[in-house]
Amino acid sequence: DAGVTQSPTHLIKTRGQQVTLRCSPISGHKSVSWYQQVLGQGPQFIFQYYEKEERGRGNFPDRFSARQFPNYSSELNVNALLLGDSALYLCASSSASGTRYGYTFGSGTRLTVV
Amino acid sequence: SQQGEEDPQALSIQEGENATMNCSYKTSINNLQWYRQNSGRGLVHLILIRSNEREKHSGRLRVTLDTSKKSSSLLITASRAADTASYFCATDVSADKIIFGKGTRLHILP
Repeated sequence: DAGVTQSPTHLIKTRGQQVTLRCSPISGHKSVSWYQQVLGQGPQFIFQYYEKEERGRGNFPDRFSARQFPNYSSELNVNALLLGDSALYLCASSSASGTRYGYTFGSGTRLTVV
Repeated sequence: SQQGEEDPQALSIQEGENATMNCSYKTSINNLQWYRQNSGRGLVHLILIRSNEREKHSGRLRVTLDTSKKSSSLLITASRAADTASYFCATDVSADKIIFGKGTRLHILP
């Protein structure tokens, strides 16, 4: 079975641009969470979606948005990119409650803003 | 903000030795999880311990949880070069959200 897949793996953008990151969860998993990990830090929670509904939002500005599609895949959008948005963006999926059973993470998208 | 805090921040040990890392957290939890991350790649789920459990084993991993002290420890026995990675604890702050600490960077020396 395929794991959590994220695309693209690497991305370079210019300040002020917009970016869309994609995530396909494990087949059968209905929950997708997004995390931002700055170098040397732990992952920071951005969003969680379950059955296409937003269930949680972290302390990120409105420039960050996400959605989940009927096939449970998800997109994370970041507008008006800042240098500080450079990070590894991780997607995690779970069958139901990842807080009770654990999450499966993708390999991430490394975003560099120049 | 980060709920959990791992200690030490970095640890270097000889191959074959045991590695112990600790996690402290601030608020009450239902579950605590440990993850491993190799070289800035995705995280791998290692083990989950529930608040009513005190100890859990998985292969060479042993996790303890002390809810009165709001702390957990991860022990890796008979370490191997492949155990070189960053280790994170994560606690549930709501039904749908876990928060990670800053991690412990473990380096196994040959």
